[in-house]
Amino acid sequence: DVKVTQSSRYLVKRTGEKVFLECVQDMDHENMFWYRQDPGLGLRLIYFSYDVKMKEKGDIPEGYSVSREKKERFSLILESASTNQTSMYLCASSFQFSYEQYFGPGTRLTVT
Amino acid sequence: AQRVTQPEKLLSVFKGAPVELKCNYSYSGSPELFWYVQYSRQRLQLLLRHISRESIKGFTADLNKGETSFHLKKPFAQEEDSAMYYCALPMDSSYKLIFGSGTRLLVRP
Repeated sequence: DVKVTQSSRYLVKRTGEKVFLECVQDMDHENMFWYRQDPGLGLRLIYFSYDVKMKEKGDIPEGYSVSREKKERFSLILESASTNQTSMYLCASSFQFSYEQYFGPGTRLTVT
Repeated sequence: AQRVTQPEKLLSVFKGAPVELKCNYSYSGSPELFWYVQYSRQRLQLLLRHISRESIKGFTADLNKGETSFHLKKPFAQEEDSAMYYCALPMDSSYKLIFGSGTRLLVRP
């Protein structure tokens, strides 16, 4: 069974704080993704990584950065959190040539 | 540019009624299309893909290239079908996906 885990289910941070969201998958997937999930907007891709140290911007990368130092781990970084980054963050992974993405449970981030 | 449109935010039906969740897309070429589902307190997961032409949990979806649609259908809705449903298609030629805004299906007893 594919397992994608995220470091926190709920997180509350203050405006201006640096925030790290961690994602780990145990199926040796090449691709990893970070999404925001907002009501009425669906899932929007923040960043995508197709290999260690490789990354591509998604639709809404502003205010975010990512790190992939190991194949199984993909981190999302909010350099200076703002209230408009309050959202549900979903991590996903997939094999290199597959559209089937496996999702983590999500992290609900609140920035006050 | 690729785009996925799910026109209904909420679809409410009674148990046993037919269900159709709408999905329209714009894509140059022949797309692969997918339906993902998120049940309450569960992870988002793949429900079905058009290329497999299979029925999952009684749901089917037919790709209509003329109408650029990929509607999800079930003849008799069950309460356990209540969930958030997302239509998705590939983003350009990569293995990234574009998701629609989602439709919440509520099946009432």
